[in-house]
Amino acid sequence: EGQLVESGGGLVKPGGSLRLSCVASGLKFDDYAMNWVRQAPGKGLEWVASISVRSDYIFYADSLKGRFTISRDNSKKTLYLDLSNLRVDDTAFYYCATSEAVRRPPDSWGQGSLVSVTS
Amino acid sequence: QSALTQEASVSGTVGQKVTLSCTGSSTNIGSYFVGWYRQVSHGPPRTVMLGNSLPSGIPDRFSVSKSGTTASLTISGLQPEDEGDYYCSSWDHSLETRLFGGGTRLTVL
Repeated sequence: EGQLVESGGGLVKPGGSLRLSCVASGLKFDDYAMNWVRQAPGKGLEWVASISVRSDYIFYADSLKGRFTISRDNSKKTLYLDLSNLRVDDTAFYYCATSEAVRRPPDSWGQGSLVSVTS
Repeated sequence: QSALTQEASVSGTVGQKVTLSCTGSSTNIGSYFVGWYRQVSHGPPRTVMLGNSLPSGIPDRFSVSKSGTTASLTISGLQPEDEGDYYCSSWDHSLETRLFGGGTRLTVL
């Protein structure tokens, strides 16, 4: 069964930047669209961004557009999320997830990476 | 406020049948597959239904239906391990975004 492992989270000050990575193993990474979904403490799931297999379709949550950038490297079986100009309310667990296509629901999920934005 | 509306909480006893609903519109649930996810103690989400498909390891007491712009997840023969927070999700072609419902807390009494 495939596995997704996120990394790159940590403590960052408001206005700072961070790069999250999600490495896939045991699955054919370039068969799947990929997604980032986050969850703030005590809150529900919030979709962040999605990217198609060849990166020709990329979508973002409106509230995050311009600050977050999703990308992927199929040769490295790795999904990325670049976060910039971070705010306190970006504090959350960030999960990566596969899907059959960008508009299909997420399927397999990683364990998550915690981003804490605090002064 | 989520564009997909779920009950805040649902409860049932062991062995009972419960149904969770997810209400949206023609631009999301009415047009696309719906995913259902369970989360326990804020661990990672686990997919319990993708469209009409049961992922590997999910028991067949889980089933789904859709009527117009409302999707439903039914659990027949409720078990203690079914307890958790359940979220629905759908793509929306008008907003070109993915939506999640606010979540339903399922309690097994």
